[in-house]
Amino acid sequence: AQSVTQLGSHVSVSEGALVLLRCNYSSSVPPYLFWYVQYPNQGLQLLLKYTSAATLVKGINGFEAEFKKSETSFHLTKPSAHMSDAAEYFCAVSDFGNEKLTFGTGTRLTIIP
Amino acid sequence: EAQVTQNPRYLITVTGKKLTVTCSQNMNHEYMSWYRQDPGLGLRQIYYSMNVEVTDKGDVPEGYKVSRKEKRNFPLILESPSPNQTSLYFCASRPTLGQGNTGELFFGEGSRLTVL
Repeated sequence: AQSVTQLGSHVSVSEGALVLLRCNYSSSVPPYLFWYVQYPNQGLQLLLKYTSAATLVKGINGFEAEFKKSETSFHLTKPSAHMSDAAEYFCAVSDFGNEKLTFGTGTRLTIIP
Repeated sequence: EAQVTQNPRYLITVTGKKLTVTCSQNMNHEYMSWYRQDPGLGLRQIYYSMNVEVTDKGDVPEGYKVSRKEKRNFPLILESPSPNQTSLYFCASRPTLGQGNTGELFFGEGSRLTVL
């Protein structure tokens, strides 16, 4: 069965510092990978997705993620954190042809002024 | 505006009192799904529907029912709610896979349910 692991349930970074949120997947075939963001009292919004077109994927709000097959990873980064980035972030995976999207347990990002 | 709409957004109820959380999407999506979100557990799928009259269990279906009589609606029914069903619930939809669709889900705003 598909699974995805997010290392670190809570991450704190200073405003202006690099943001790095980690995600590792277990799929044995090249998957589709997603990062979603959840702001307080809101639903989940797609940040970016990997669908095999390019290993470095750029998303909204300055975020990007790199697919590394050898490491089965899809870490999310942003060069300079902003206060508005404070939210919970979810990594998700699906195989091509698999109807289910499997989510990680989430990482809460706190930005320190 | 393309959206998934859930109601109610907030609900406090008591053990055993039947309730329904409605979900409606205006994007003509075939696939719809319900998730629950709990601290430390992420999102877990309750039920999903591939199309009208086609539903199937997800990972945590116990205590829930669904129906899909119309393409746009996918209500979640708790026949006899219990405190362990206190959670944040999300409805989501997407088009059928293929034809350029890659499984991205579109989410509603969430329904926070408390069962006393």
